[in-house]
Amino acid sequence: AQSVAQPEDQVNVAEGNPLTVKCTYSVSGNPYLFWYVQYPNRGLQFLLKYITGDNLVKGSYGFEAEFNKSQTSFHLKKPSALVSDSALYFCAVRDFGNTGGFKTIFGAGTRLFVKA
Amino acid sequence: GAGVSQSPRYKVAKRGQDVALRCDPISGHVSLFWYQQALGQGPEFLTYFQNEAQLDKSGLPSDRFFAERPEGSVSTLKIQRTQQEDSAVYLCASSSTGTGTQYFGPGTRLTVL
Repeated sequence: AQSVAQPEDQVNVAEGNPLTVKCTYSVSGNPYLFWYVQYPNRGLQFLLKYITGDNLVKGSYGFEAEFNKSQTSFHLKKPSALVSDSALYFCAVRDFGNTGGFKTIFGAGTRLFVKA
Repeated sequence: GAGVSQSPRYKVAKRGQDVALRCDPISGHVSLFWYQQALGQGPEFLTYFQNEAQLDKSGLPSDRFFAERPEGSVSTLKIQRTQQEDSAVYLCASSSTGTGTQYFGPGTRLTVL
């Protein structure tokens, strides 16, 4: 079965420092991977996705993620964190099993705190 | 352009009441998804529509949950005889294709007393 793991409930980083939010996945076949961010009282916002091609994917707000097939990881990164990046981040994988790819499975989320 | 909208934003129901949650997708998006997000958890897939056809309802937790999209645009998620465990945020998302990027609405927070 497809699954997504975000091993850290919370990540703390100082403003200006690089940040990493970890994600590992388990899928059968080639993965479609996504990162979303959720701000309080707002819906999820799409950050970036990996379908095929370059392992380093660049997305919104200066975020990027690196697809590592051997480690089955898709960690979210940003070279220099901003206080405004503080939010809840979700990694997700598209399930291309019997459901035909319509079902997206989300991780439990990682809360990022960026301290000024 | 306008994003995905959902109404109401907040709903309080007494146990046993029926509720209806509405989703207005981005205009022209053929695909529509419903998710349930419990407190402190990630969203969990409920159901998927392609136009008016409900192609996957494998995530609906019980037969008290019913979703429809009769004209291939607006969708309604109905929960009958609500229970306390139904308390959650219900998210709707739409995409231009079935496998395209999903754009989420702000959600409806349902509290069942």
